[in-house]
Amino acid sequence: GAVVSQHPSRVICKSGTSVKIECRSLDFQATTMFWYRQFPKQSLMLMATSNEGSKATYEQGVEKDKFLINHASLTLSTLTVTSAHPEDSSFYICSATNRGNEQFFGPGTRLTVL
Amino acid sequence: TQLLEQSPQFLSIQEGENLTVYCNSSSVFSSLQWYRQEPGEGPVLLVTVVTGGEVKKLKRLTFQFGDARKDSSLHITAAQPGDTGLYLCAGGKGGKLIFGQGTELSVKP
Repeated sequence: GAVVSQHPSRVICKSGTSVKIECRSLDFQATTMFWYRQFPKQSLMLMATSNEGSKATYEQGVEKDKFLINHASLTLSTLTVTSAHPEDSSFYICSATNRGNEQFFGPGTRLTVL
Repeated sequence: TQLLEQSPQFLSIQEGENLTVYCNSSSVFSSLQWYRQEPGEGPVLLVTVVTGGEVKKLKRLTFQFGDARKDSSLHITAAQPGDTGLYLCAGGKGGKLIFGQGTELSVKP
C-alpha cells in the first residue's frame, strides 16, 4: 500500500517551453500532496503544499507563476514548470499524505532544460 | 540556519563496521521520520517515531527519538554494501516535513 507514482520519470526540453509533471497516489486518497526540488548531493527542498480543491501554498522564494500547481482530485496533483530555463533543471519529487499523516514519496522526475 | 542539523554529511566505512547518524534541532517536532534514498529515486520511509524516548528497531537499524522530541539518531550495526545511500531525517511541523541535510553513506566491501 501507499504507492505514489510520478510521470514522466525524466524529461528533456528546450529552454522556453513548459513541462507538466504528474503525481498520483495509486492506492489511497491524499488530501495533501507536496512538491520538492532536489539538487545533486543535497537534501529535499519543499516548494509548495497542494491541497485538493484549493490553491497551493508556496514556500518563500518559490515563484507561483513559474511553478503552477493543480490538485485536481484526491489522487492527482500536477506541477507545471512554465517557460523553463536551464537553472530549472533539477530532480522534482512529490509526496502524498495518508490519513495517518505519513508522507510517501514518488520516484521523482529528472528535468533537464537545454 | 538549518532547522534540522544532520551529521555527519558524508560517511565512508568498511563492511562490518557500525555507525551512527545524528539529527539535532532546537525545535520540538510532533514526529520524526527517517528515509533512505538511492540515486535517481524518491526517498523511502524507514521509520516514524512520535514518542519522546522511543526506540525502534528494523533489523540492523536502530532508531531513537530524544526525550524532548528535538533530536534523533540512527545506528546501523555491521553495515553492508547494500546500506549505501542517502539517509534523510525529517521532522513533522505544522503539517509539513522539515528535512535535514542528509548523510551520504558509502559502505565498501
